[in-house]
Amino acid sequence: IAGITQAPTSQILAAGRRMTLRCTQDMRHNAMYWYRQDLGLGLRLIHYSNTAGTTGKGEVPDGYSVSRANTDDFPLTLASAVPSQTSVYFCASSDTSGGVTDTQYFGPGTRLTVL
Amino acid sequence: GQNIDQPTEMTATEGAIVQINCTYQTSGFNGLFWYQQHAGEAPTFLSYNVLDGLEEKGRFSSFLSRSKGYSYLLLKELQMKDSASYLCAVMDSNYQLIWGAGTKLIIKP
Repeated sequence: IAGITQAPTSQILAAGRRMTLRCTQDMRHNAMYWYRQDLGLGLRLIHYSNTAGTTGKGEVPDGYSVSRANTDDFPLTLASAVPSQTSVYFCASSDTSGGVTDTQYFGPGTRLTVL
Repeated sequence: GQNIDQPTEMTATEGAIVQINCTYQTSGFNGLFWYQQHAGEAPTFLSYNVLDGLEEKGRFSSFLSRSKGYSYLLLKELQMKDSASYLCAVMDSNYQLIWGAGTKLIIKP
C-alpha cells in the first residue's frame, strides 16, 4: 500500500508557465486537501474536496485550481505561475465518511520553485 | 481571526523530558492534533485530543484544556531521532485544520 503519492518530487518553473501537481491516494479516503508550507508559516489550505465531484476553496486559493474526477486523484493546477507560489506543496487525505473528525495523512510533498 | 501559537524553537538533552506548548483561538473546536515533521519530509500524525485531559502513547503524551485554549505535547526519554518540528493544529467549526507554524525541537547529546 503506497498511501499517498505526489509528482513531481521537485520542479523549477519559469514564471507564467502552467503546471499541474499530481496527487493520488489508494486508501479510498473520501476527502482530499492541498496545502502549501512556507518557512515560518503554518500549513495553509489551498483547496479541498470532501468527496469525488466536489471541491472547495481554502485559505489561499487564488492562482490555483483543482478537480476531483474520481476518489483517488486530486490534481492541483497553477494556471500561470508567479514567484510567490514558490513553496512546498503537500497533498493530504482523510476518511470523513463516518461523520467524525479523522486524521489527515500526507503525501511526501512537491518542492516548487518559480523563477 | 484564528490563531495558533507555539514556540519557534526549543532545545533539549537526550534522555530528558520536554514540553511543547500550543495555545489557540479558533472559530469553533472539533479537536486538536499534533504532528511530527522531520526536515524535508511530510508531517506524520502523533496524537488527537477532543476532550480535556491527558492522552498517553508510549513516550509521547498530549494534554488539552478547552477552557484555556491550551494544549501541550510531552516527550519523554528523548532520543536523537526526536529532532524534528512539531506542528499543532486545531479543527475549526468548518472541520478545517488551522495550523501553527511549528516548533523546531533540537536534541543535544
